[in-house]
Amino acid sequence: DAMVIQNPRYQVTQFGKPVTLSCSQTLNHNVMYWYQQKSSQAPKLLFHYYDKDFNNEADTPDNFQSRRPNTSFCFLDIRSPGLGDAAMYLCATSRDAGEETQYFGPGTRLLVL
Amino acid sequence: GESVGLHLPTLSVQEGDNSIINCAYSNSASDYFIWYKQESGKGPQFIIDIRSNMDKRQGQRVTVLLNKTVKHLSLQIAATQPGDSAVYFCAVSSRSGGSYIPTFGRGTSLIVHP
Repeated sequence: DAMVIQNPRYQVTQFGKPVTLSCSQTLNHNVMYWYQQKSSQAPKLLFHYYDKDFNNEADTPDNFQSRRPNTSFCFLDIRSPGLGDAAMYLCATSRDAGEETQYFGPGTRLLVL
Repeated sequence: GESVGLHLPTLSVQEGDNSIINCAYSNSASDYFIWYKQESGKGPQFIIDIRSNMDKRQGQRVTVLLNKTVKHLSLQIAATQPGDSAVYFCAVSSRSGGSYIPTFGRGTSLIVHP
């Protein structure tokens, strides 16, 4: 049974056209994360929510925003996608903020034309 | 900040051999270490973890070794199978502002030849 679900699995958007990626979880975990992963590279943390508290990484571009309307859902909004934003976007959860295992979704691959 | 590196970007082995994937980290205060396996087109999947109060932990066909003195950890896979072919990441956590945020290493691509 899928525990961290990401939709869509593949997303094509046009340069500058806003796009939203979604993530949902059935684990009732407190923490949700968004990562960007480019080809052959490690996942790069963009931001995370501890419950409703939003934590932005210092080098995350302003172009990237996130919303967490409830425990189960988290969204990644890219306001004006550039060609350099084409990547795999991974959502992850953890039960708490501590020595906790992260559970990853399958990712959404974003293509910017 | 933490920097995490892997020693080899690619490791090729024969089916049945043992595989060893290495990872180095920089922050001596790091105290939680995780290995993930990522297959093509999928998200990372937890394999095994270890805390800083241990130096070895075993799972099914996998062993993680932690050497805090030289800030090094390794993942050993016994009797490697074609299904083990994937990219392996180590992730290292340090307490930051009260929460553990893991830093991922670059990944080692394991190729298992039948």
